[in-house]
Amino acid sequence: GAVVSQHPSWVICKSGTSVKIECRSLDFQATTMFWYRQFPKQSLMLMATSNEGSKATYEQGVEKDKFLINHASLTLSTLTVTSAHPEDSSFYICSARDVAGVSYEQYFGPGTRLTVT
Amino acid sequence: GNSVTQMEGPVTLSEEAFLTINCTYTATGYPSLFWYVQYPGEGLQLLLKATKADDKGSNKGFEATYRKETTSFHLEKGSVQVSDSAVYFCALSVPYNTDKLIFGTGTRLQVFP
Repeated sequence: GAVVSQHPSWVICKSGTSVKIECRSLDFQATTMFWYRQFPKQSLMLMATSNEGSKATYEQGVEKDKFLINHASLTLSTLTVTSAHPEDSSFYICSARDVAGVSYEQYFGPGTRLTVT
Repeated sequence: GNSVTQMEGPVTLSEEAFLTINCTYTATGYPSLFWYVQYPGEGLQLLLKATKADDKGSNKGFEATYRKETTSFHLEKGSVQVSDSAVYFCALSVPYNTDKLIFGTGTRLQVFP
């Protein structure tokens, strides 16, 4: 089946530093990838939609200058949390849609836990 | 607006017990409805889906019926196994924008032998 990986699986960083999270589709090509954020005991909240070769589309209330998204190839999207602060601590999940797929099914990565100290 | 409400967990059951996880939704238009499952250490996987009213999605012994009159999509399984222990998410796709998924908060299921 379609597999999506994320790296790193967890990261701890100091306040004010930047952190990059990678999302890769391992066995399929993805023109569209999605980034979600999940707080404890809460829903996954869509942050942005990432399209290969074009700018990401951010959801209302998400700071695009703080959460930089780059979808440079059909198998890789990155999320960079710039000047991280403790309130950015969360679980970040990506998903990818198979370019060859006929449905809108999204395949999800295992998530990255970010802790900002 | 569009939203999904599902029962809080954890749900704790003995093996072979009957499972119900409630899910209700609010949506403008006619959404598609989904159940995703997340096993420990893994990403969310699509468990089943239904795209219109009265449709029944089924997979691996799990079933859910799209009930427009009650705006519900409850997940059921007749006999759970220890291997079903996971977190289950109900979700809907926004009408006219089927890329966007709106999730419930997730329900943790724990099955004991």
